[in-house]
Amino acid sequence: GDSVTQMEGPVTLSEEAFLTINCTYTATGYPSLFWYVQYPGEGLQLLLKATKADDKGSNKGFEATYRKETTSFHLEKGSVQVSDSAVYFCAFGPGDYKLSFGAGTTVTVRA
Amino acid sequence: DVKVTQSSRYLVKRTGEKVFLECVQDMDHENMFWYRQDPGLGLRLIYFSYDVKMKEKGDIPEGYSVSREKKERFSLILESASTNQTSMYLCASGQERSQPQHFGDGTRLSIL
Repeated sequence: GDSVTQMEGPVTLSEEAFLTINCTYTATGYPSLFWYVQYPGEGLQLLLKATKADDKGSNKGFEATYRKETTSFHLEKGSVQVSDSAVYFCAFGPGDYKLSFGAGTTVTVRA
Repeated sequence: DVKVTQSSRYLVKRTGEKVFLECVQDMDHENMFWYRQDPGLGLRLIYFSYDVKMKEKGDIPEGYSVSREKKERFSLILESASTNQTSMYLCASGQERSQPQHFGDGTRLSIL
């Protein structure tokens, strides 16, 4: 069935380091793909999205490209800050109005 | 600015109690959702509603029910709370397949 798998955490980085969180999906058809972020004590916020193959979503220095050939949507940021410490969720919309979420990756950035 | 409001941030109840979690959205969205969030499991869909008085089971509906009498309000009901329902509960709303869901801040529910 449809599913999404993301890199397990936790991930600990130093400020200005490069961040990659891997996300792959299994789905029939052409799902929409999303990254959400959850800061401590808050609900989820949309970080970026892509709705078709080769689309690149970007926001707050984060980027992810919809790769249909590898069924992937990896999240990247070139230089992280302490304020990027959060839990990141990959999600996809397989064709109806529901979303399926990955398990989440906890990222901690040290000063 | 879009807003999904959950009635309580923290809630403590006892086993066997009937528990109501309320959620209101101001975006006129057709679809509303209830998830629970547990460490290592991500978000799991409990129930969703695609119209007033319409509902469908998600992945883990056992022990829960929902009510949607008005478009803007979606309630989650724990009929007889149990300790394994201690969790973070997140409400969300959305309009179309390609439109992301908007989330409330969550209710952290403890069942003692």
